[in-house]
This record gives sequence, structure tokens and C-alpha cells, in this order.
Amino acid sequence: NAGVTQTPKFQVLKTGQSMTLQCAQDMNHNSMYWYRQDPGMGLRLIYYSASEGTTDKGEVPNGYNVSRLNKREFSLRLESAAPSQTSVYFCASSAAGLPNQPQHFGDGTRLSIL
Amino acid sequence: LAKTTQPISMDSYEGQEVNITCSHNNIATNDYITWYQQFPSQGPRFIIQGYKTKVTNEVASLFIPADRKSSTLSLPRVSLSDTAVYYCLVGDGNYGQNFVFGPGTRLSVLP
Repeated sequence: NAGVTQTPKFQVLKTGQSMTLQCAQDMNHNSMYWYRQDPGMGLRLIYYSASEGTTDKGEVPNGYNVSRLNKREFSLRLESAAPSQTSVYFCASSAAGLPNQPQHFGDGTRLSIL
Repeated sequence: LAKTTQPISMDSYEGQEVNITCSHNNIATNDYITWYQQFPSQGPRFIIQGYKTKVTNEVASLFIPADRKSSTLSLPRVSLSDTAVYYCLVGDGNYGQNFVFGPGTRLSVLP
């Protein structure tokens, strides 16, 4: 009963390095999302994919790229990491076609950029 | 986007009923109200969702008055394991991009 699986769970990068965060879901959901959560704050949407083959920007897309590899997988890439991108990153998925389908979240990737 | 306002923190004791109120004065006709729970080092977890009146599930109840400008999440007989951050979200759920997670309410349940 995996749900949403994120890898890696922890990562430390140096400024300027690149990194891809992986996310996979096994619930046959059409929509997937990437959020970041900074200390003491709520989650902010980075990018989302309404369905396989489509991606759109969220609230804070700068410095990130995404790829919807297939229906199960949605990756987030940092091309040139910056200290301001130190955060906890959450991936989520939801069913589509009906309004207000709850989002199911992974347990996050804790990313530190030095 | 409908902005929400909720208390930053609340304390309660085990066995008590906890009510967390969320204000959303500019809620739109198509918007639903959704609550999530987040434990430390975990992603948020869906608790309950409603449009109007009252919704109840095995975990919580959600009360929404007729004008829908606020909502109240009710947790019956809380235990220590209910210590978490609770988020109130308002949106029409259009692929999720209209959901905004504010800072939430940090509930501390004391023994």
C-alpha cells in the first residue's frame, strides 16, 4: 500500500549542483503536484501536472523544471541549486475528472543546499 | 483565490473536544472547504471536505454555516496522537492549483 513514494528522503547539495527529485504513485491518479515547505510555513505549489503529458506552473516555479515521465511518475529538477531552495519537497497526486479530489502526499524529500 | 485565516496555535487536553475555526470571507460559489492534517516529518493527510452544512466521518466533523464564510473542524475526544498542524483550504479543486496551504493551526494535545 505504497501510495506516493519520493526518493531520496534526504539530500545535501552544494550551490550550483543539479539534482532530480523522483516521485511515483501507484493509485492510478491522473494529477500530480510538487510543493515546497519552508520552516513554520504552509506548502507552496511549484508545478503540477493535470494529466499525463501536461505540466503547468504553480505559485513558485522559478529555478525548477518538471517532467511527467508517465502516468505514475513526476520528477522535479533543480538545474543549478541555490541556498534559497533549501526546503522540504512534497509530491502529491489526486484523481481527476471530479472536483476537489483529495491530494495524497508522499513523506517528503529534505533538501539542504550549502 | 479565497484566503483563509485560522489560529496559529491551540492547546488542548486529552479527552477534550477541539474546534478549529477557519475564516474564508471571499469564498466562491464553486469552492469546497478541505482540511488536512500534518505530523512532523510527514506529508499532509486529507481529513475531511465539505461544501455546506455538516459533514462527518470516522475522524472528524466539519461544520459550515449557511453563508459559508467560515468553517469549523471538530475533533472529538482528542488524544496525544492528534498533536499536529491542521490546514484549512478553500478552492474549486481545479487540478489543485487553486489550493493554497497557509501556515495552518498547530494543535498541541497535553496529557
